[in-house]
Order: sequence, then C-alpha cells, then structure tokens
Amino acid sequence: EAAVTQSPRNKVAVTGGKVTLSCNQTNNHNNMYWYRQDTGHGLRLIHYSYGAGSTEKGDIPDGYKASRPSQENFSLILELATPSQTSVYFCASGEDPTTLYFGSGTRLTVL
Amino acid sequence: GQQVQQSPSSLVLQEGENAELQCNFSSTATQLQWFYQSPGGSLVSLLSNPSGTKHTGRLTSTTVTKERRSSLHISSSQTTDSGTYLCAIGGSGGSNYKLTFGKGTLLTVTP
Repeated sequence: EAAVTQSPRNKVAVTGGKVTLSCNQTNNHNNMYWYRQDTGHGLRLIHYSYGAGSTEKGDIPDGYKASRPSQENFSLILELATPSQTSVYFCASGEDPTTLYFGSGTRLTVL
Repeated sequence: GQQVQQSPSSLVLQEGENAELQCNFSSTATQLQWFYQSPGGSLVSLLSNPSGTKHTGRLTSTTVTKERRSSLHISSSQTTDSGTYLCAIGGSGGSNYKLTFGKGTLLTVTP
C-alpha cells in the first residue's frame, strides 16, 4: 500500500513565525502536491513538484514556499505565518490521476 | 482557470436509499476523479472516469465529456458511506498533471 506521511499532525504557530510542514512518500512517485482545505473553498493547490529539485506554483502560492530536496520529501514553508493561513494542509503523491495518494493532513492554527 | 461545481452541497439519506451526486466543470477535462473524504480524515480515490460509465462495487460514475458533467451514483447506501465526496478534474496527462477540486457533497446516511 502506498504511503504518504505528513508531520506534524497539528501545529499552532504565532503570527510572523516560520512554519515548515513536511511530507514523506515511500511510493517513488515523481509528482507531489500541497493542497489546503478550507470550508467554502474545497481543496486548493498551493505548490507541486514533478521531481527532486523542482517546484511549481499552484493556484494559490502567495505566502508559501516549497522545497523538494529528494524524491521522497516535499516541504511547505510559511516564512511569515499569518492567521489567514490557518487551514488543513494535505500532501499528495502520484504518477497519474489513478494513483494519487493523500496524507492524513496537518491542521495548522496561526494565532 | 478550471472550475468545478458540485451539487447538492449536502444530502441526507436513510440507509438503503440511493444517492446521486453531480459534478459540472467549466472546461474540457482529460482526467476526472471522484474522491471520498471521511469525516475529519484524508482523501481516498474512489474511481477515475474521464468519459463513459464506470462501475466499482456499489458506485457507478457516468461522465459526458462534451457536456462537461459527471455523476456518481451510490446504490443501497450504508452509514459507513457518510462523508464528503469530491470531484476533481485535470487538463493534462503525463507526469505534470494537477487536479482542480470541487467543494464536495457532504453525504449523511442515517440508520
């Protein structure tokens, strides 16, 4: 079974602080994604990557950076966290739409 | 960009009843997937159906590509079917695809 592991599961941060959300996949998938899920908006794509060393902007990249240092790891970085970034963040990996696997999510609260 | 509209936004059924969920999208999609999200949980892919009709277990999806719509039929609903059903579309194949999600249909099945 494919596995996507996110950490931490829950995070409370202060406004202006730096937050790093981590994602690890053991599927050897080239493609990895970061989404956020908010009530009334559904899932929105923040950044994605199609291999180690690459990152691409998704639909709502402002205020976020991404890093893909290896095939297995994909991080989402909030350099200066704001309350508007309070959300549930999901990481996913896949080679094609029939093999898209999601992590369990990280609930981030920015105070 | 692509837009995905799902209806109804919520649906309450008694166990044993059938559910019909709708997904309409704004532009041609070469990929279409239905996902299930358990309450407070992660997403799991149910099936991929960019065109035609596809069955898996009690689920049937019908996609009419030129009319930009897809439906998901759940027969003989069970309480364990409760959760959010998300439709997602993608416009490109290969290794660089990304999905655009609808806001979902919240299904509640009562005993």
